[in-house]
Amino acid sequence: DAGVIQSPRHEVTEMGQEVTLRCKPISGHDYLFWYRQTMMRGLELLIYFNNNVPIDDSGMPEDRFSAKMPNASFSTLKIQPSEPRDSAVYFCASSFGQTNEKLFFGSGTQLSVL
Amino acid sequence: GESVGLHLPTLSVQEGDNSIINCAYSNSASDYFIWYKQESGKGPQFIIDIRSNMDKRQGQRVTVLLNKTVKHLSLQIAATQPGDSAVYFCAERYNAGNMLTFGGGTRLMVKP
Repeated sequence: DAGVIQSPRHEVTEMGQEVTLRCKPISGHDYLFWYRQTMMRGLELLIYFNNNVPIDDSGMPEDRFSAKMPNASFSTLKIQPSEPRDSAVYFCASSFGQTNEKLFFGSGTQLSVL
Repeated sequence: GESVGLHLPTLSVQEGDNSIINCAYSNSASDYFIWYKQESGKGPQFIIDIRSNMDKRQGQRVTVLLNKTVKHLSLQIAATQPGDSAVYFCAERYNAGNMLTFGGGTRLMVKP
């Protein structure tokens, strides 16, 4: 299995631009999570999906952030407009069955907003 | 292993020694705990997990101990190797319907 696949690995953009991060979960997994990691706050859950349906988006910082999961094999996290404080590593993770056990993480997207 | 802002607690051990990484968790009602290893430039990687009805669980070269009395979790790595150098995170879950809450992490450095 290829694991959770994220793209791009690195993204550098200017303030105000739209950023789209992509994730392909492990095949057969029915939960998908988006996390953000910074040195100051550690790993923060932004949103998670179950069977492609958003279940909890209370961690999404503000309306500039949105996430979609159009099918079981693809999800996007969009930031529009981006701001320098959005700079972080964004991880996608997936799991199967019982929620919130044994999450498998992707390699992350390092986002830098200048 | 709690984060103190920009500075991660660091544990430095000699190759071949045993390592013990500690984690204090917050909620006495947490029913599930998990340890992740994160190497530089990579995502967190699952190491081992344990449910609250257990005190100890062993894996390959790793052991997790759970002390519910003092809300303490530890990860023991036997015969530490240079490849074990990474940041280690513990996480707890309040119940099956809730999210994993991650600790701040501890950096393990293995000296050859």
